[in-house]
Amino acid sequence: EVQLMQSGAEVKKPGESLKISCKGFGYSFTSHWIVWVRQMPGKGLEWMGIIYPSDSDTRYSPSFRGHVTISADKSLSTAYLQWSSLKASDTAIYFCARSFCTSSTCYFYYMDVWGKGTTVTVSS
Amino acid sequence: QSALTQPRSVSGSPGQSVTLSCTGTNSDVGNYNYVSWYRQSPGKAPQLMIYDVTKRPSGVPGRFSGSKSGNTASLNISGLQAEDEADYYCCSYAGNYTVVFGGGTTLTVL
Repeated sequence: EVQLMQSGAEVKKPGESLKISCKGFGYSFTSHWIVWVRQMPGKGLEWMGIIYPSDSDTRYSPSFRGHVTISADKSLSTAYLQWSSLKASDTAIYFCARSFCTSSTCYFYYMDVWGKGTTVTVSS
Repeated sequence: QSALTQPRSVSGSPGQSVTLSCTGTNSDVGNYNYVSWYRQSPGKAPQLMIYDVTKRPSGVPGRFSGSKSGNTASLNISGLQAEDEADYYCCSYAGNYTVVFGGGTTLTVL
């Protein structure tokens, strides 16, 4: 079964660092982009950025560039999202998702398999 | 880069049809035929329902259809069922390897 398994919920204090993970199972991890999406409490989805695990080509939404770092370790079939200094406004659910591919094309702007989400709570 | 504009809520009765709208700009929806729709049930991850404006991934019922005119994309759901009650998000490619979501529409089945 194709799935993305995300790391567990985190509770952190402002100023702390954090790295959450997303491990792919059941498919060729290096053949699909991994997308990170934020959902703040009671709010909508926000596209944060993408990484192509095969060569670690990474792109960020202008809204998130400089605030988070996306990385991947293809040997572990795992992508990461990290913060160096958390803020209370980083409190949210963070989803990873796989880019959708047909038999002929892969689209980094569509996501067909999603992780269950990692809840990050930042509070003093 | 602003979020696409979606109505906060839409409702319909079982068996009816509803249309959800998604308005962007000529930098995203109006410039690319790369619009998708996602359904998110409470406490769940989103599910891809429509891509390339009108196409349905395998497993998505034919009751779901998409369209676009100018800067506005639409999702039509016919034969409304109770299980369709969820939040729906539109999404568009916005150029330069970036993507933008809409604010989401809550669909209530009366």
